[in-house]
Amino acid sequence: QQQVKQSPQSLIVQKGGISIINCAYENTAFDYFPWYQQFPGKGPALLIAIRPDVSEKKEGRFTISFNKSAKQFSLHIMDSQPGDSATYFCAGAGGGADGLTFGKGTHLIIQP
Amino acid sequence: DAGITQSPRYKITETGRQVTLMCHQTWSHSYMFWYRQDLGHGLRLIYYSAAADITDKGEVPDGYVVSRSKTENFPLTLESATRSQTSVYFCASSERQGAWINQPQHFGDGTRLSIL
Repeated sequence: QQQVKQSPQSLIVQKGGISIINCAYENTAFDYFPWYQQFPGKGPALLIAIRPDVSEKKEGRFTISFNKSAKQFSLHIMDSQPGDSATYFCAGAGGGADGLTFGKGTHLIIQP
Repeated sequence: DAGITQSPRYKITETGRQVTLMCHQTWSHSYMFWYRQDLGHGLRLIYYSAAADITDKGEVPDGYVVSRSKTENFPLTLESATRSQTSVYFCASSERQGAWINQPQHFGDGTRLSIL
């Protein structure tokens, strides 16, 4: 049972471009939606997170857009850099769910 | 330094053997979690613990055993390892069960386990 669907599986973006990763969730009781960034050989690290009562959150070049009615949220990386090349996971939490429910991840490559 | 550490980082073992993965956190977080990461599946919750001596199953608990006698430690044991348990295992900790703004889940760097 996959409660968070993430797309695309992989993404190649030119340096300076915008990277967009999308997620859709099923559990309407989720009250916290984080994005994690993972580099090879490392654990996931929190990148940015949002609550469902906010439609957008921006931190530097990273923005979460949240659409509660559609049960969708997305990560936008502006001015993408080679150092942003990593695997990105969206997740949902709360509403009695155990831990974090993760999407399957997006492998992002930023070409110089 | 405060943080969460996992050991060993790499482990190779044979089917049928018992293996224990260790996790230690220095934040005194109440909650600790074990996830496994497999290609095409993302991270899936195996077990979690709300406090010392309190543990509960996650999405994929079969074949695993956990214990938590001290707040800072949360070992994961594979009592009789199978090839399907070859994976990368991550431990995490948090002040909350589901995490929250300013109270995220923090992850260790993982243990890469290969079962031959």
